[in-house]
Amino acid sequence: GDSVTQMEGPVTLSEEAFLTINCTYTATGYPSLFWYVQYPGEGLQLLLKATKADDKGSNKGFEATYRKETTSFHLEKGSVQVSDSAVYFCALSDYLTGNQFYFGTGTSLTVIP
Amino acid sequence: NAGVTQTPKFRVLKTGQSMTLLCAQDMNHEYMYWYRQDPGMGLRLIHYSVGEGTTAKGEVPDGYNVSRLKKQNFLLGLESAAPSQTSVYFCASSPGTDATYEQYFGPGTRLTVT
Repeated sequence: GDSVTQMEGPVTLSEEAFLTINCTYTATGYPSLFWYVQYPGEGLQLLLKATKADDKGSNKGFEATYRKETTSFHLEKGSVQVSDSAVYFCALSDYLTGNQFYFGTGTSLTVIP
Repeated sequence: NAGVTQTPKFRVLKTGQSMTLLCAQDMNHEYMYWYRQDPGMGLRLIHYSVGEGTTAKGEVPDGYNVSRLKKQNFLLGLESAAPSQTSVYFCASSPGTDATYEQYFGPGTRLTVT
């Protein structure tokens, strides 16, 4: 079945450091891929998405490229800020499984000044 | 637009008590979902609905019931709460059948069962 595996946390970085959070997936069909962010005490918000192979999603300095050959959708940011401290979830939606979402377990990021 | 709202935000129940969580969306979305979030397990789908009057089971449906009597509302019921149902519950909605659509989430309900 479909599934998402993402990098274990927690991750602690200094401000202005480079961020990578790894995400790989298994899917039956041709999924769309998403990164969601959850700030403390809040619900999940869409950060970015990509709907076909080689697409790059980007938002707020974050980027992720849909790599079909490696079944990956790694999240990157060149210079993190304290305000980026949150939990990040990788997810996929696959029309062959009724467009249900499959979420990774989440990666907690703390950025220290 | 308020987006997706959930009521209540917090609740404490004793084992065996019942309660209903309300989710409302004002985006005219067809699909609605209930998830639970537990530490280290990400989000797990409890039940979902693809339209008014329809519901279906997700990954972890046992101990929960749902109803979608109106398009904008999706109710999650616990008939006899158990400590294992202590969790944070999120409702989400989506426009419909295209896999490229994202889901929009509510702020969550933190439930503790003692």
